[in-house]
Amino acid sequence: GAVVSQHPSWVICKSGTSVKIECRSLDFQATTMFWYRQFPKQSLMLMATSNEGSKATYEQGVEKDKFLINHASLTLSTLTVTSAHPEDSSFYICSATPLGGEQYFGPGTRLTVT
Amino acid sequence: QQPVQSPQAVILREGEDAVINCSSSKALYSVHWYRQKHGEAPVFLMILLKGGEQKGHEKISASFNEKKQQSSLYLTASQLSYSGTYFCGTDKYNNDMRFGAGTRLTVKP
Repeated sequence: GAVVSQHPSWVICKSGTSVKIECRSLDFQATTMFWYRQFPKQSLMLMATSNEGSKATYEQGVEKDKFLINHASLTLSTLTVTSAHPEDSSFYICSATPLGGEQYFGPGTRLTVT
Repeated sequence: QQPVQSPQAVILREGEDAVINCSSSKALYSVHWYRQKHGEAPVFLMILLKGGEQKGHEKISASFNEKKQQSSLYLTASQLSYSGTYFCGTDKYNNDMRFGAGTRLTVKP
């Protein structure tokens, strides 16, 4: 089956610093990857749609200058949380879609900002 | 718009059945079902693309009523491993998934 990896799995950073999260599709090419955020006991919330070679499309209310997305290749998308604050602490999940319409999720990255 | 899931939570004994509903106020292209264990990423269960389509995965099946803009997930003879939060994801144009709030399912021995 299709495998999506994320790195790192856990990250703790100080307030004001930036954190980069990588999302890779290991055995398929994904022209589109999605970034989600999930706060405790809440649903997945789509943050942005990342398209290879073009600018990401952000959901309403998501600051594009704070959450920088780069989709440099068909197998890699990165999310950088700039100037992180404690309220950015969350579980960040990426997903990628090969042909067929199914989404495959990465294992998630738990971000804690102190 | 997020789809609406019901119920919010359900507790079952092993072997019992459950139904989780997902409805949308908008016409849908597809409905996706996922299960998430605590602290883990969601796992894809199934996708329904056509109105009237039904699918099964072990003892978990789902239906999609396109006209009513709703889908139901059926869990029969539940097992302990079925515990988790079930999300439906609805998709109008195959590129703008929205998830429901989730249904927390607990299966007890």
